[in-house]
Amino acid sequence: EVQLVESGGGLVQPGGSLRLSCAASGFTFSSSWMSWVRQAPGKGLEWVANINQDGSGEYYPDSVKGRFTISRDNAKNSLFLQMNSLRAEDTAVYYCVSGITHWGQGTLVTVSS
Amino acid sequence: DIVMTQTPLSLSVTPGQPASISCKSSQSLLHSNGRTSLFWFLQKAGQSPQLLISEVSNRLSGVPDRFSGSGSGTDFTLKISRVEAEDVGIYYCMQNIQLPTFGQGTKLEIK
Repeated sequence: EVQLVESGGGLVQPGGSLRLSCAASGFTFSSSWMSWVRQAPGKGLEWVANINQDGSGEYYPDSVKGRFTISRDNAKNSLFLQMNSLRAEDTAVYYCVSGITHWGQGTLVTVSS
Repeated sequence: DIVMTQTPLSLSVTPGQPASISCKSSQSLLHSNGRTSLFWFLQKAGQSPQLLISEVSNRLSGVPDRFSGSGSGTDFTLKISRVEAEDVGIYYCMQNIQLPTFGQGTKLEIK
């Protein structure tokens, strides 16, 4: 069974940093594109980053480019999202996604003073 | 960026009746390889989104056959032939021919 378990969310002040992690199991992690998708409270879905299988390619929308960095450790079946210079509008549930098929349960990030 | 526009944004349907959701993209989603990068998700209350249909019309394993997807190029439709109570939630279309973008979501409720 595919499992994606996010961690690292919490309350952070504007301008602060946070690192999210995703522990993957039940599939061949090193063969999968991985993504982070977020959902602000009561809002729709927004893709925020993805990374190819060996980590050599990372992609971001303009809303987070230069502030967020996606990375992976294939030896540990783990995905990460380093978030810097956080803003109130980054407040959301952040989902770890394998390909487009499998989604974790999400971790809540709240940016507030 | 490719903009995905869904209509309607909300839908109230009597059980057993059909439902239809439209999704239009600002650019063609047809790859040079002949495949079309259009996907449908359902997010039930308090849950993560679940993929229902990939590449326009391919139902995932376990998805009831009352769900069907159609369309081409820039115009796509998700149809539910006979709505059931368990179909309640928010439906999203998504493209990933370029950097992924989602539609705004269509909220389906039961009358």
